[in-house]
Amino acid sequence: SQTIHQWPATLVQPVGSPLSLECTVEGTSNPNLYWYRQAAGRGLQLLFYSVGIGQISSEVPQNLSASRPQDRQFILSSKKLLLSDSGFYLCAVSSRDLLPEAFFGQGTRLTVV
Amino acid sequence: GQSLEQPSEVTAVEGAIVQINCTYQTSGFYGLSWYQQHDGGAPTFLSYNALDGLEETGRFSSFLSRSDSYGYLLLQELQMKDSASYFCAVRDTGRRALTFGSGTRLQVQP
Repeated sequence: SQTIHQWPATLVQPVGSPLSLECTVEGTSNPNLYWYRQAAGRGLQLLFYSVGIGQISSEVPQNLSASRPQDRQFILSSKKLLLSDSGFYLCAVSSRDLLPEAFFGQGTRLTVV
Repeated sequence: GQSLEQPSEVTAVEGAIVQINCTYQTSGFYGLSWYQQHDGGAPTFLSYNALDGLEETGRFSSFLSRSDSYGYLLLQELQMKDSASYFCAVRDTGRRALTFGSGTRLQVQP
């Protein structure tokens, strides 16, 4: 079974500071990886997805970027955080055969102050 | 693109049955899935329908009608622990990512 490690669980960062959130996956190979963001009481907004090393698709133009340096590692970054970047960031993984079952990490609650 | 609509909030009492509807628009279709999310937690997968009809998993069932672009999640014998947000999601044949509805917050009352 798959295990998703996502850290940190909570983060408070000042406006203009950089960000790096890391997600690593165990128990699967060649997964599809995703970053979602969820505002309080809202749905999940897809930010980035990756089908392989170095392959990143961006869904929403924004202040964030993503990278996949290894098969089971997915990183979300920002050079300068904005207040609007606050939210609950979730890493997810799914198999490559397009089954619509995704497994989520426990998330990082980011507050930009 | 894809879009999904579901009610924002539903309230029911313990032991009752509740149905959460979802309508979708997508270019291509590869199934409708449902996720549960408790406050402060991550979404967890509940069920999936690729074909028309009803899929049953314990107290939860999910239904799909592809001709109507419609599905629902049915929760029976409601328990307090079922209070959570429920999301429908689609993953079409073109994109390899799930698009989620805005979620339905279910409140189960004693």
